[in-house]
Amino acid sequence: KQEVTQIPAALSVPEGENLVLNCSFTDSAIYNLQWFRQDPGKGLTSLLLIQSSQREQTSGRLNASLDKSSGRSTLYIAASQPGDSATYLCAALNYGGATNKLIFGTGTLLAVQP
Amino acid sequence: EAQVTQNPRYLITVTGKKLTVTCSQNMNHEYMSWYRQDPGLGLRQIYYSMNVEVTDKGDVPEGYKVSRKEKRNFPLILESPSPNQTSLYFCASSWGLAGRETQYFGPGTRLLVL
Repeated sequence: KQEVTQIPAALSVPEGENLVLNCSFTDSAIYNLQWFRQDPGKGLTSLLLIQSSQREQTSGRLNASLDKSSGRSTLYIAASQPGDSATYLCAALNYGGATNKLIFGTGTLLAVQP
Repeated sequence: EAQVTQNPRYLITVTGKKLTVTCSQNMNHEYMSWYRQDPGLGLRQIYYSMNVEVTDKGDVPEGYKVSRKEKRNFPLILESPSPNQTSLYFCASSWGLAGRETQYFGPGTRLLVL
């Protein structure tokens, strides 16, 4: 059974710092790995999706990597800004025939201090 | 604007009083899904639908019903709500039949069952 873990649960950094958020998963038979951002009172916004055949994806200041062999994904945020403050969730999509499903981690709450 | 909408956004009800949370998407997505989010447990899938009239259980389906009579709508029904269904609920949709593509989330419905 797939389990997804995100450590740390909370992180506070000063503005301008580069940072890395971690995501671990137990079952390497994933179809893809997705990173989401969740703002208070709002839904989840998809940030990056990495297919199982890929090693990384980039969007602006965000870079996500995937290492299936070690069961890890990282989200790198360059030059952090206060507007980056949110909860970041990773989710693994497992093979399951007709029952593909996203298994979510519990998230990392990021606070970027001005 | 491409979006997933949910109504109501906030709901307080009493045990046993049937309620429906509506979900609608305007992106012509085949796949739709319901999740609940609880502290320390992350998001867990309740039900999903791969197309009109095709629905199936997720990880925590007990106490919930769904229907998919139209492609754009996927309502979540609580026939007899109980306090343990107090939670934050999200509807999501994506291209394709199996939920493998980027999932788009609604803003969430916060439910309190007294």
